[in-house]
Amino acid sequence: QKEVEQNSGPLSVPEGAIASLNCTYSDRGSQSFFWYRQYSGKSPELIMFIYSNGDKEDGRFTAQLNKASQYVSLLIRDSQPSDSATYLCAVRGSQGAQKLVFGQGTRLTINP
Amino acid sequence: EPEVTQTPSHQVTQMGQEVILRCVPISNHLYFYWYRQILGQKVEFLVSFYNNEISEKSEIFDDQFSVERPDGSNFTLKIRSTKLEDSAMYFCASILSWAEYNEQFFGPGTRLTVL
Repeated sequence: QKEVEQNSGPLSVPEGAIASLNCTYSDRGSQSFFWYRQYSGKSPELIMFIYSNGDKEDGRFTAQLNKASQYVSLLIRDSQPSDSATYLCAVRGSQGAQKLVFGQGTRLTINP
Repeated sequence: EPEVTQTPSHQVTQMGQEVILRCVPISNHLYFYWYRQILGQKVEFLVSFYNNEISEKSEIFDDQFSVERPDGSNFTLKIRSTKLEDSAMYFCASILSWAEYNEQFFGPGTRLTVL
């Protein structure tokens, strides 16, 4: 069973600080990695994707991927109260597999 | 901006009844998916669909489930005889192609409540 693991939280971060979200995955053949944000009762919304080892930055968000350690993370700089949500790590599997495998999500609260 | 749409937003049904959840994927997308999310749990893959046939399905997607693309725009999920444990949010998603960087666009979801 291919698994994606996240700390479910809640993770509480003061406004303006850096929020760090982590994810590990079991399928070593996984190709692409996605971070989605989900507000309560809403559908997942893509924040970032990454498929090469290293860092990828987009505005206040940085995704980090380490395929050797099977680890992907998301950093949110200058956290805002509007960043409060559940963050879902999703992994697209080995060649030929199209589906996304999601972690259980980390609930993030930004405190003003 | 193009988006995936789903109807209805909320469906209430009695156990044992059939339900059909409808989705309109983004018009030029080629791959379609259904996921579900039981309240408080992770998003789970149900089925993927390409070129008018199922390309992959999970163990959740048993004989009670079926999918169809009856015309050029709609993509439906049918549950033949609903069970209490089918109560969940059902998300439709579509993607242009398998390229690594392509985003799966999710619809707003249908909340299914089975009584």
